[in-house]
Amino acid sequence: QVQLQESGPGLVKPSETLSLNCTVSGGSISRTSYYWGWIRQPPGKGLEWIGSIYYTGSTYDNPSLKSRVTISVDTSKDQFSLNLRSVTAADTAVYYCVRHLAAGGTFEYWGQGTLVTVSS
Amino acid sequence: DIQMTQSPSSLSASVGDRVTITCRASQSISSYLNWYQQKPGKAPKLLIYAASTLQRGVPARFSGSGSGTDFTLTISSLQPEDYGTYYCQQSDSISYTFGQGTKLEIK
Repeated sequence: QVQLQESGPGLVKPSETLSLNCTVSGGSISRTSYYWGWIRQPPGKGLEWIGSIYYTGSTYDNPSLKSRVTISVDTSKDQFSLNLRSVTAADTAVYYCVRHLAAGGTFEYWGQGTLVTVSS
Repeated sequence: DIQMTQSPSSLSASVGDRVTITCRASQSISSYLNWYQQKPGKAPKLLIYAASTLQRGVPARFSGSGSGTDFTLTISSLQPEDYGTYYCQQSDSISYTFGQGTKLEIK
């Protein structure tokens, strides 16, 4: 059974960079056919897909985030990471890491989520 | 981006009721439509993918239908544990988008 676990600071200052890691267990991140992604949910609001990465490093992300996103992968650690630059209070959210099929965006496995608050 | 619109935004129903939630896409997405259930403080859980395929382990009282722009999630006989917020999500365009959610309460 695949499990995903987010980690990282719970508080980030405005204009700084939000950085999160996701550790995958129960299966290698290098398995073909799967992408690894990030989704966020502001408190009391809906879900927003941020971006996804393949184990080769190929990525794609949500254009609405205006190129503030970098997603990377470390196959030796079965981890992938999110960097979101120039954050504002609007980036306060629960951030989830997910797994989906390379053939489509069906988010089958989710981490438990981690709340990141942007505040000075 | 493809916009996803759910209705209703919230509903309250009794145990045993048949419940229907609808989702409309702003353009045709074929059958690239998924449904998730989220309980308070928890991550969403995949219920149905490809519009009508039940994810393994999900009770058979859940079903999905539709194609193109109009989709439906049905709970045939509502159970106490079915409370939560339900989201549809399109996976046709790689800029994946979700509906705004439907909050389901048990009377």
